[in-house]
Amino acid sequence: KQEVTQIPAALSVPEGENLVLNCSFTDSAIYNLQWFRQDPGKGLTSLLLIQSSQREQTSGRLNASLDKSSGRSTLYIAASQPGDSATYLCAVSSGGGADGLTFGKGTHLIIQP
Amino acid sequence: AAGVIQSPRHLIKEKRETATLKCYPIPRHDTVYWYQQGPGQDPQFLISFYEKMQSDKGSIPDRFSAQQFSDYHSELNMSSLELGDSALYFCASSPTGQGRSKNIQYFGAGTRLSVL
Repeated sequence: KQEVTQIPAALSVPEGENLVLNCSFTDSAIYNLQWFRQDPGKGLTSLLLIQSSQREQTSGRLNASLDKSSGRSTLYIAASQPGDSATYLCAVSSGGGADGLTFGKGTHLIIQP
Repeated sequence: AAGVIQSPRHLIKEKRETATLKCYPIPRHDTVYWYQQGPGQDPQFLISFYEKMQSDKGSIPDRFSAQQFSDYHSELNMSSLELGDSALYFCASSPTGQGRSKNIQYFGAGTRLSVL
């Protein structure tokens, strides 16, 4: 059974810092990996999706990398802003098509103004 | 741009009652997924449908059932509700049939179910 772990569970940094969120998964036979953002009591916003054949994806100040063989992904946030404060969730799909995602428990990020 | 629409946004039920949650996917998306997120927990996959057929099944209780209709909207039916069913229920959709590179899941805002 696939298990996804995210480290750290919580992180608080001053505004402007670059930071890295980590995600690991136990079964490297994934189809893709998706990073989400969730604000308190709200839905999930997809940030980046990396297919298993890709090494990284970039969107604005966000960069996600994938090392499938070692079962790891990182989300890099450059020049953090208070508006980046949220919970960041990593999720993997172990099959193509309509397979459900397996989520990690998230990293709760606070950016101090 | 149109997003995934879920209704109702909030629902309060008593134990042993039934509840029906509705999900309207993004236009031209053929796949819907249901997830349950308990307080302080990560989302747990329940079930998915592709082209109106059940596709993948996760940790969905036998008391729950779901279906996808001809217009691609989906409904999650929950019976004999228990206190532990109180959670945020998310629906997601994806344009799976348009190619595997299109299987990003887009989530709705969720339905918050409280069972008293």
